[in-house]
Amino acid sequence: GAGVSQSPSNKVTEKGKDVELRCDPISGHTALYWYRQRLGQGLEFLIYFQGNSAPDKSGLPSDRFSAERTGESVSTLTIQRTQQEDSAVYLCASSLAGVGTGNTIYFGEGSWLTVV
Amino acid sequence: SQKIEQNSEALNIQEGKTATLTCNYTNYSPAYLQWYRQDPGRGPVFLLLIRENEKEKRKERLKVTFDTTLKQSLFHITASQPADSATYLCALEPSSASKIIFGSGTRLSIRP
Repeated sequence: GAGVSQSPSNKVTEKGKDVELRCDPISGHTALYWYRQRLGQGLEFLIYFQGNSAPDKSGLPSDRFSAERTGESVSTLTIQRTQQEDSAVYLCASSLAGVGTGNTIYFGEGSWLTVV
Repeated sequence: SQKIEQNSEALNIQEGKTATLTCNYTNYSPAYLQWYRQDPGRGPVFLLLIRENEKEKRKERLKVTFDTTLKQSLFHITASQPADSATYLCALEPSSASKIIFGSGTRLSIRP
């Protein structure tokens, strides 16, 4: 596609359920990022994938959060046993090359997660 | 720990004036500094990138300065228009593989 695609765009889930968020980066982009943005707040780094290197998972807030990426393609962010504080927009982004190259980062429109 | 501060949660400017937004950082030596625009309910959109060895960058009505001694970047919008109303985020990118960190943003409102 022309841009970063995220699904679902909106998700309402019950506390304690697992959710899976999907990101399709721009074709050919080797780097993929996940950020979390709570209402009225800035972007909180979650995880960064670059090519075949081990991902930087240092931003994942707890072991309930995990993410995978298939090669240089689709990524999924999984939140297990969701809590109300997980309610936020989850933003995915991609760039042609990795961090340290000054590449433009392209964001998707986000997946809005509400935990009730 | 690394910290980015965008020192105004909100800024209100009269149309036609120059809006100046500030991004300060500590405990960090970025190779690049980027500015993004975010409209309500949308993902951020890239505006400008400036390298550590550059002092100033311009694009149409936008100007960014970068002072690595002061650890500060200024983002200017000249001849501001109501359509410029949005949240503006600064982001720091290191020189090697690590994470890109974002400030909390400044909400800019341009009144007619």
